[in-house]
Amino acid sequence: GAVVSQHPSRVICKSGTSVKIECRSLDFQATTMFWYRQFPKKSLMLMATSNEGSKATYEQGVEKDKFLINHASLTLSTLTVTSAHPEDSSFYICSARSGASTDTQYFGPGTRLTVL
Amino acid sequence: QKEVEQNSGPLSVPEGAIASLNCTYSDRGSQSFFWYRQYSGKSPELIMFIYSNGDKEDGRFTAQLNKASQYVSLLIRDSQPSDSATYLCAVAGLGNQFYFGTGTSLTVIP
Repeated sequence: GAVVSQHPSRVICKSGTSVKIECRSLDFQATTMFWYRQFPKKSLMLMATSNEGSKATYEQGVEKDKFLINHASLTLSTLTVTSAHPEDSSFYICSARSGASTDTQYFGPGTRLTVL
Repeated sequence: QKEVEQNSGPLSVPEGAIASLNCTYSDRGSQSFFWYRQYSGKSPELIMFIYSNGDKEDGRFTAQLNKASQYVSLLIRDSQPSDSATYLCAVAGLGNQFYFGTGTSLTVIP
């Protein structure tokens, strides 16, 4: 299957700082990338959908100014958590899809963010 | 509201038995159906996808789709302790989005 990488895998930061997470599709071009967060023992929660070269579409309740998403190329999307607070601590997972709307989503390994 | 429903479990089966995981969905326009496995603390990994009514087999896994009943299932034959995980059902339509169920927790007892 297709490979999606995320960096960093784990990050610990102080409250008030910003954290950038990268998501890369390594062996295919991802026209669409998705960002999820997941709390312990809870289901995936879609945060936003991003298409290459256009603005991300955010789910209801997700603050656009807090979670900045950039999908600058067909292989890279970034999520920046701005002015992070302890309640932003979570497991952030990206996924990528190559083309047709019904194509498979492939997930990155996730980034565990801890805000002190 | 497009919904994907799964029994959260936990589902427990003895080693070597068949585990049956079920998923229903509300959008009749759904076209693609996926099963992902997620181990604790890890991201989901794709097990199988199915597009057409009927059964699709891959090793010990069989996906079953019934569009008339809006039902998709995953059978795991000869269950192993390493199959213990949360299984996520996902449904995609013509739009840009997948809809995930909340997952079923499976425990295979040695």
